[in-house]
Amino acid sequence: DTGVSQDPRHKITKRGQNVTFRCDPISEHNRLYWYRQTLGQGPEFLTYFQNEAQLEKSRLLSDRFSAERPKGSFSTLEIQRTEQGDSAMYLCASSLAPSTGTNTEAFFGQGTRLTVV
Amino acid sequence: AQKVTQAQTEISVVEKEDVTLDCVYETRDTTYYLFWYKQPPSGELVFLIRRNSFDEQNEISGRYSWNFQKSTSSFNFTITASQVVDSAVYFCALSSGFQKLVFGTGTRLLVSP
Repeated sequence: DTGVSQDPRHKITKRGQNVTFRCDPISEHNRLYWYRQTLGQGPEFLTYFQNEAQLEKSRLLSDRFSAERPKGSFSTLEIQRTEQGDSAMYLCASSLAPSTGTNTEAFFGQGTRLTVV
Repeated sequence: AQKVTQAQTEISVVEKEDVTLDCVYETRDTTYYLFWYKQPPSGELVFLIRRNSFDEQNEISGRYSWNFQKSTSSFNFTITASQVVDSAVYFCALSSGFQKLVFGTGTRLLVSP
């Protein structure tokens, strides 16, 4: 078990550019979550998938943000026309959907730190 | 709406001291789950514990212990005999139905030798 993997770890981009981040969850996990964390704050929920279905999106996820999980395995988060306010750590987590006797804690990746200049 | 409050922004202790991190939560759900995560400088959130709303038993795991009190909506975390490696930001979080986590703002713990 290699844990949740995120790529890239760091991204610096110019305002107005598009960026895409990738998350590879723990292989047997069917739920995948995206969170955003700004300096001095706790992570804030953005969206989550169960298998390939996107089940919930936060109001924080503006029209410039889109997330996909096409085959129910890895996921991508794209930000179009980046703004300075998008600068943050983007965290991915995965878990198993609840069932009797199953541990369903979310396990987090190391995050992608985005800086928009 | 769900909310988690961690009033302590930063705590500094000397190694071997005991330290308690406070967490107060708000929810209207009758079934919910409480978590603590540790975030070291590397950035990865490390799961420490999960508690469900029907289980108010305190738990001890090595130097870590947790005190869950529904009457005061609190889920406090105590580290006994703190060590330098305990230095990190600690987050308390709340969820219903194992869906999204609602995090507090975190408490930065600095343990000096």
